Amino acid sequence: QSVLTQPPSVSAAPGQMVTISCSGSNSNVENYYVSWYQQLPGTAPKLLIYENNRRPSGIPDRFSGSKSGTSATLGITGLQTGDEADYYCGTWDSSLTAKVFGGGTKLTVL
Amino acid sequence: QVQLQESGPGLVKPSETLSLTCSVSGGSVNSGSYSWNWIRQPPGRALEWIGNIDSRGSTNYNPSLKSRVTISLDTSKNQFSLRLSSVIAADTAVYYCVRETILNSAMSKWGQGTLVTVSS
Repeated sequence: QSVLTQPPSVSAAPGQMVTISCSGSNSNVENYYVSWYQQLPGTAPKLLIYENNRRPSGIPDRFSGSKSGTSATLGITGLQTGDEADYYCGTWDSSLTAKVFGGGTKLTVL
Repeated sequence: QVQLQESGPGLVKPSETLSLTCSVSGGSVNSGSYSWNWIRQPPGRALEWIGNIDSRGSTNYNPSLKSRVTISLDTSKNQFSLRLSSVIAADTAVYYCVRETILNSAMSKWGQGTLVTVSS
């Protein structure tokens, strides 16, 4: 049972848009930066979004992040088959005094 | 371009100590801008933060593992290490070493990961 709640799976057609939610509380998401990570099959996670909505260099602007209250959202537009991966949100939790991650969301591009 | 590489035994017996090392190239573990983390992922499951260490040697551990975890820094070798004692089967996972930018908590650089299996 993860501290941050993500949908187990989402799917959409190529070229379409999808959003992935990350629900937390005032001890984590509401008061700390949220990051998002992409894990392609068989590989290590890669940073997609940091500081809630900023993209590292090299990450296309098809990927976006937002946060409102105790929830954060990852958006992906212009879906490609290469976007099929597991996506994780992460942040700090002041009650647990630990970094926490969501349970992960598997994106399928139909 | 900084790179991180995990090394250590792929098989550990129950009740023994798991020891892994992360070698850092293209950057220094002495940099005050980063913390050095260990994160694990059991097969088919989500990421779990184990703990981290900064350039001063200050550590933070996941409370759920704190009694069994030690993370240390070796600046002369530009490495940091993980020791997890009294392992059980549930400690079987891919273990990643990760560089975090302290200012924004971004886990910006990951090692490729190493699978550690706990089994007799």
